[in-house]
Amino acid sequence: AQSVTQPDIHITVSEGASLELRCNYSYGATPYLFWYVQSPGQGLQLLLKYFSGDTLVQGIKGFEAEFKRSQSSFNLRKPSVHWSDAAEYFCAVAPEESNYQLIWGAGTKLIIKP
Amino acid sequence: ETGVTQSPTHLIKTRGQQVTLRCSSQSGHNTVSWYQQALGQGPQFIFQYYREEENGRGNFPPRFSGLQFPNYSSELNVNALELDDSALYLCASSLGMVGYGYTFGSGTRLTVV
Repeated sequence: AQSVTQPDIHITVSEGASLELRCNYSYGATPYLFWYVQSPGQGLQLLLKYFSGDTLVQGIKGFEAEFKRSQSSFNLRKPSVHWSDAAEYFCAVAPEESNYQLIWGAGTKLIIKP
Repeated sequence: ETGVTQSPTHLIKTRGQQVTLRCSSQSGHNTVSWYQQALGQGPQFIFQYYREEENGRGNFPPRFSGLQFPNYSSELNVNALELDDSALYLCASSLGMVGYGYTFGSGTRLTVV
């Protein structure tokens, strides 16, 4: 079945440390790939997206993500996290055959240690 | 530029009742999508409207229905509410298809008792 997997439910990182959030998808073709962030009481905000071309994409708030076709992965990274990055992060995929909807992972909750 | 506005923000309904949720899309956006997000899960696609026509539908029963108006605002209606309908309902607007990226509202938290 088509799916998006975020293997880590929670991740705890010290402020100033680097971050990597994992995302894997199971689709035959290369879908459109997205990362969103959701803070408590707020809607989802788009961090970055990948359609084609350069496999390393830059987003807002200092985030980047790398698409690896061979691993069907689209991991999100940040070199140095800030306390304000504490939130839930969602990876989402728009399958090429149905690009009117997004298929979402279950999310990873990021906790920042002072 | 205004964002996506959803109303109400919170709602409590009794099982079997009907509910209408509303969404005002971002200025200039002609596509509205609705998602259901249960606690601890990622959003699930309900349906999408493009220029007042349903453009796609997820795996939700017919008691979930919607409308899009000429100003591109939208409603989500749910009939015969069930306890499992308790969730955060998110509206997202976009210019055309999903590839351009959505702008989400803050959601309506529906509790069915």
